[in-house]
This record gives sequence, structure tokens and C-alpha cells, in this order.
Amino acid sequence: DAGITQSPRHKVTETGTPVTLRCHQTENHRYMYWYRQDPGHGLRLIHYSYGVKDTDKGEVSDGYSVSRSKTEDFLLTLESATSSQTSVYFCAISESAGRSYEQYFGPGTRLTVT
Amino acid sequence: GESVGLHLPTLSVQEGDNSIINCAYSNSASDYFIWYKQESGKGPQFIIDIRSNMDKRQGQRVTVLLNKTVKHLSLQIAATQPGDSAVYFCAETYNDYKLSFGAGTTVTVRA
Repeated sequence: DAGITQSPRHKVTETGTPVTLRCHQTENHRYMYWYRQDPGHGLRLIHYSYGVKDTDKGEVSDGYSVSRSKTEDFLLTLESATSSQTSVYFCAISESAGRSYEQYFGPGTRLTVT
Repeated sequence: GESVGLHLPTLSVQEGDNSIINCAYSNSASDYFIWYKQESGKGPQFIIDIRSNMDKRQGQRVTVLLNKTVKHLSLQIAATQPGDSAVYFCAETYNDYKLSFGAGTTVTVRA
């Protein structure tokens, strides 16, 4: 988890409220990712970023938006939280050098939508 | 040691034995593969990677084998220790910075 922090680490929110999760990195890596992890589904990509203000959708992007105004921060917003978005959310980073696609993961945020 | 021929969601291993975790990947064009370990309450951690031009790669107590013919990847852990208890994921990609992850195998080490 070195170099990657996520905040908050735990959050309980009500259905219909907006929620923003923050990922912060100190590695100056170009790529950043948001995943959700649910039992039986492994890690599923929500959105990713390939540079400042450059983002794209992953496989489960409905109901989520992202923003990246600077290299070190990648924000994930649940526009109107639903119970189906109760999950553990992981941020990851990777760098393009040397054709290595290894991703480094943050500690995760456990989100409960009631 | 203990091994599974097909992907199973759980694997129980006696401490000191070798374990083999299997993964079937989906994209025949994938050219890079990674194994991750995830301990309870933590994010996934990189264990070892392998490129498609290799069949085998060894790390510290771990070996990854790649069989492109049948799209199969395996992770072998030598002399399994209690600290190896975790969920193990394989991931694949084809010349892309997006990884596709498998469902994971939970390894439990028996004392």
C-alpha cells in the first residue's frame, strides 16, 4: 500500500445521497484505476485514468463518475448511492515504463449504503 | 503437495506442503499475466508476473507456469506457510493497461 492512500476507509451512507471517494498517490504514476470488489466477482473495473483529465469507463461504470484534476488525485463519485453499490472499493496505480502492466493497490474503502 | 486440476474457489493445504493454484484465462491474445495475493482487510499485492513468450518464471518460493495452448496459468507455492493464507487472483491483459481479474482462490493453511 506504500504510496497510495484512500479516504475515507469506511463510510456508511443513505440511499440517494452522493458520495465521493478519494485516492491519493505519491508515486507520480500515470495510470489510476477504481475497482469494486464483491464476493464471487473478484475485482471489477469501474473507471480508469491515463492522465490528468483523461478518463475512460470500465466494465461497471453505470452510476459512477470520476475526475482527475492533478496527477496525484483520482476521485470516484457515486452520484446517487444505491444499496447495490455497497462494496469494497480499491484504487490502483500503474506506470507505463518498460511495458510492465503491474498495478499497485491501495488499502480499500468499505462503503455501506443503507 | 496439493493441487487442483480446475479452478476451485478454495484450497486447503497442510503447512509445509507445496500448493498449486490454477487459473483459466479467457483471452487467447493476452500477453501478460500477474498473480496477486490479498490478505484479509488489505488490497491485493503483486506476487509474480509472466509474459506470453515464457512458459515458466520463478520467484522466492513461488513459480508461475503458463500454458498458452489451453489458456491456463498456475501458481506454485513451495513449503506453504501460515502467512500464505490469503485469496490469490490471476490477472491478464493484452498490450493494455487494463487488467482482467479472475474470481480468486482462497487458500487456507492447516497447522
